[in-house]
Amino acid sequence: EAQVTQNPRYLITVTGKKLTVTCSQNMNHEYMSWYRQDPGLGLRQIYYSMNVEVTDKGDVPEGYKVSRKEKRNFPLILESPSPNQTSLYFCASSFLPNQPQHFGDGTRLSIL
Amino acid sequence: KQEVTQIPAALSVPEGENLVLNCSFTDSAIYNLQWFRQDPGKGLTSLLLIQSSQREQTSGRLNASLDKSSGRSTLYIAASQPGDSATYLCAVNGKTSYDKVIFGPGTSLSVIP
Repeated sequence: EAQVTQNPRYLITVTGKKLTVTCSQNMNHEYMSWYRQDPGLGLRQIYYSMNVEVTDKGDVPEGYKVSRKEKRNFPLILESPSPNQTSLYFCASSFLPNQPQHFGDGTRLSIL
Repeated sequence: KQEVTQIPAALSVPEGENLVLNCSFTDSAIYNLQWFRQDPGKGLTSLLLIQSSQREQTSGRLNASLDKSSGRSTLYIAASQPGDSATYLCAVNGKTSYDKVIFGPGTSLSVIP
């Protein structure tokens, strides 16, 4: 089944403790992207990747890192999480940016 | 800076009605525009994607139009059903395929049986 898989789905952690949210797709997609969704602010793009080893900043990249060492994986790294990064995070992928994006089910992060 | 707005923020209609959701964007130099559906507690599902060179796309009871010059897109839903209840979001991809994606805030739709 074609899918975008995020892990974990839920995480409660503390300020400053490094964490990684994994994202994997099995559709051989070139393009992958991370978003966060907040009440009143909607969905905002954090980082995106056009291909392996090619990443670029979205609208709200501060406090986040990404890597794209393999085509199928695009992890989101929070080196020193802070409470303002408490949010619902989505990973998405598509063959190309001009094609429909497939979204994961989301990761709800709470940083205390 | 590109800004995307959606009107109305919420809409409640009786089953069977035809309805229109609106999306506006401030910079007409877009690469494409996508409409998504989001169910509570779920990710987004892509409904329709319109390239900048296209005027509309259709899928079943859904029809999306794009008027780049006026910075507007509409999503038309025919013969609405309770299963259509969800939040609908539009998103624009910037000037090139290498540009950012900007989402609108969404329209929450309730279809009453």
